[in-house]
Parts: sequence; C-alpha cells; structure tokens
Amino acid sequence: GESVGLHLPTLSVQEGDNSIINCAYSNSASDYFIWYKQESGKGPQFIIDIRSNMDKRQGQRVTVLLNKTVKHLSLQIAATQPGDSAVYFCAEKSGTGRRALTFGSGTRLQVQP
Amino acid sequence: EAQVTQNPRYLITVTGKKLTVTCSQNMNHEYMSWYRQDPGLGLRQIYYSMNVEVTDKGDVPEGYKVSRKEKRNFPLILESPSPNQTSLYFCASSFWDRKNTEAFFGQGTRLTVV
Repeated sequence: GESVGLHLPTLSVQEGDNSIINCAYSNSASDYFIWYKQESGKGPQFIIDIRSNMDKRQGQRVTVLLNKTVKHLSLQIAATQPGDSAVYFCAEKSGTGRRALTFGSGTRLQVQP
Repeated sequence: EAQVTQNPRYLITVTGKKLTVTCSQNMNHEYMSWYRQDPGLGLRQIYYSMNVEVTDKGDVPEGYKVSRKEKRNFPLILESPSPNQTSLYFCASSFWDRKNTEAFFGQGTRLTVV
C-alpha cells in the first residue's frame, strides 16, 4: 500500500542552527502534506501543511518544501531552539474516502545547547 | 480550553480482561479517530468516525471496537486484550472537511497487556 517514510531517525543540531527534516512519500494522489511535532509525553501537534499544488509554504520560523518530481517533503526550522526538540512526523491526507492522516515513522530532533 | 481528553493515561491489564479507553472532545468536531503508536511504525489508524453513529475501520482494526453515541465521545474498546495490543494509543478529532489537515490529539494512553 501507499506509505510515508523518513530518511533519518535522529537529527542532532546546535542551538541557533537551521534544521532540515526530510520525508519521502509514495502516494501521488494525496491532497495535502502535513508536519506534526510530538513532544515527550504528549500527543502530536499540528505545525504546518502544504497543498499538493504548491511547492513552498512558510510559517513562523518554519518552511515546508514539496518536490513532487521526486516525491520529497522537507521541514526547515530556522534558528532552532531547545523547545524544538521533539519527534517530527510527516503525514499525508487525501480529500476523498476516509480522509485519514497517514503518518511516517518520525524523526527525532535533538537540539544541543 | 479546546482539548481532547483521554482516560486513563496509563493502564496495565491482563490478557483477556475487557477494557475501555475513553475519549472526549469539546470542539464540536465531526471526525474522530483512534491511533496506535509503535516504535518505528509511526501512528496507525485503528478506527474512525465521521459523525454520530457512523464508524468504520482504519488500517489496524483487529481486536478493537468503537462506538459513537454522542458527538463528543469516542471510546475504544478491547474486548479481549492480547499482549500484541501493548502500545501507546491516541485519540484525535478534527472537522470533517476536505481541506482540514489539523487534527487535535489527546495526551495518549499507554497500555500494557501482560
């Protein structure tokens, strides 16, 4: 079946550096691609999404890039802070059917002081 | 405060003893889901509900039941738990909208079946 996966299980960065978290997806029919953040002991929390007909979207300190040619999604976090330490999941959603979120396996981001 | 509330947060039970994990949301969301989270597998949808009295299977429904008698509540029932159902469970809710990508998750229920 279709799947959403991640390249790196753990990413370690220095505080203040920029972080880039990558994700490969296989379902070309997805309408939206989304990033969620999960802090220790909590449920996932929405960060940002991008519609499939876009290639870039910016939020506060975060940017999501979508490359449909190679089926690649990335989350860029500017000036990474200790509070950004968490597991990040990419997810995709179809606008039809049960409209479930299909999650990747996650990347742990560790911010070193 | 807008939130999804799950109970209990932690549960240890024995094989075969029926249990229910409750989930309640206060955002008037139509869509509610249950996910299980296992290492290396991300979150997988167990069951979902598009509205009251409308439920359907997700990706991993075996061994689980749900009900949706009221819009705010979506309990997860394990009639005869087995050790392979040891996992971290999350309830989530959102609006039933093609464009809506923001799901709100509960704090999670860590279940251990021995």
